[in-house]
Amino acid sequence: DTAVSQTPKYLVTQMGNDKSIKCEQNLGHDTMYWYKQDSKKFLKIMFSYNNKELIINETVPNRFSPKSPDKAHLNLHINSLELGDSAVYFCASRQGAGTGELFFGEGSRLTVL
Amino acid sequence: GQQLNQSPQSMFIQEGEDVSMNCTSSSIFNTWLWYKQDPGEGPVLLIALYKAGELTSNGRLTAQFGITRKDSFLNISASIPSDVGIYFCAGQLGTGGSYIPTFGRGTSLIVHP
Repeated sequence: DTAVSQTPKYLVTQMGNDKSIKCEQNLGHDTMYWYKQDSKKFLKIMFSYNNKELIINETVPNRFSPKSPDKAHLNLHINSLELGDSAVYFCASRQGAGTGELFFGEGSRLTVL
Repeated sequence: GQQLNQSPQSMFIQEGEDVSMNCTSSSIFNTWLWYKQDPGEGPVLLIALYKAGELTSNGRLTAQFGITRKDSFLNISASIPSDVGIYFCAGQLGTGGSYIPTFGRGTSLIVHP
């Protein structure tokens, strides 16, 4: 079984659309993250969610909104997609908010046309 | 925010050669992490370092946590084709809520058979 799974793996859409990426982890972790990897492979933190506390990276546009129905899921919803949103989005999880290993999903490649 | 300088950006080597890459930061970290990302996959943890001066090995990989807490290096000995991928360092402060890893920009490794 995949520890951290994301869907869809590939997403191609038009500018202005709204889309969601789902993430589920079966590791029993209580902290989940969203990272954005740009075309130069730079991994940048977007959000961290630990025990119902959402830590928002202030550089993330408010068109991006994470939603966590329970501690095993952290979905990412994006409104009014722009060309610059094209990237690979990685979900990750860890046990606690401390020094435990970060487990990543396989990534969701978003292409905005 | 904190920034990590990772070098080299890319390396092209022959199978059997040793590889060395490093990360430096303008500020201290309490944890250094090294990840590898295979094409189409999410990053996977290779080595975690928790103490200044710590030297840790994982098979052919060796990593060290710099004494100043502002740097770390990763060595790969006797490289093989499956070592191909992007290697990321990540630093974690671990205090004041800063348990979110900050990633370097990655070192792309290509190994020629």
